[in-house]
Amino acid sequence: DQQVKQNSPSLSVQEGRISILNCDYTNSMFDYFLWYKKYPAEGPTFLISISSIKDKNEDGRFTVFLNKSAKHLSLHIVPSQPGDSAVYFCAASRKNTGNQFYFGTGTSLTVIP
Amino acid sequence: EAQVTQNPRYLITVTGKKLTVTCSQNMNHEYMSWYRQDPGLGLRQIYYSMNVEVTDKGDVPEGYKVSRKEKRNFPLILESPSPNQTSLYFCASGPPARREWGYTFGSGTRLTVV
Repeated sequence: DQQVKQNSPSLSVQEGRISILNCDYTNSMFDYFLWYKKYPAEGPTFLISISSIKDKNEDGRFTVFLNKSAKHLSLHIVPSQPGDSAVYFCAASRKNTGNQFYFGTGTSLTVIP
Repeated sequence: EAQVTQNPRYLITVTGKKLTVTCSQNMNHEYMSWYRQDPGLGLRQIYYSMNVEVTDKGDVPEGYKVSRKEKRNFPLILESPSPNQTSLYFCASGPPARREWGYTFGSGTRLTVV
């Protein structure tokens, strides 16, 4: 059973606009949430994380929002650039599970120049 | 350069022929892990290792073995591969006490079992 879900397989956005990628989870015991970015023929690369004690974390153009009551997190990219075109995975982890991360199925973002 | 190196990148094999996918990291990370990525299923953990000689099962360990004799290496062994193990495999490493830093992933191994 998928504990982390990304319901939008793909998203297209114009360059310069905001990209919003969404992720839902089912396990209220998750205490860290991460976003990874993946280009074709490469492994995922870490982008940004957020602890469950926070509701927002920002790093440059990337901001992650966490809504614990809705079990929902989102990644905002502002402004979007063509180089942001990639597959984005959200992942969640909880304590005492061997550092295991549960991944969503990914959202393919295309930023149109 | 800090990296996780997997070999081979591509592998086609036949059912039942034992194979090993190697993984090596140069960051002195205690934690290493193997994932497989399948369409519609995301990345699923196969096995992980918290340190040398310490390994444990992830979500989908059936048909796989691992070993951790040295800190830098974490090979994935398929003793008798079957077609349902056709997948894209990733090795990852990271510091176990800092989950918020994420993991460093290798570039992947695309395995086809015919």
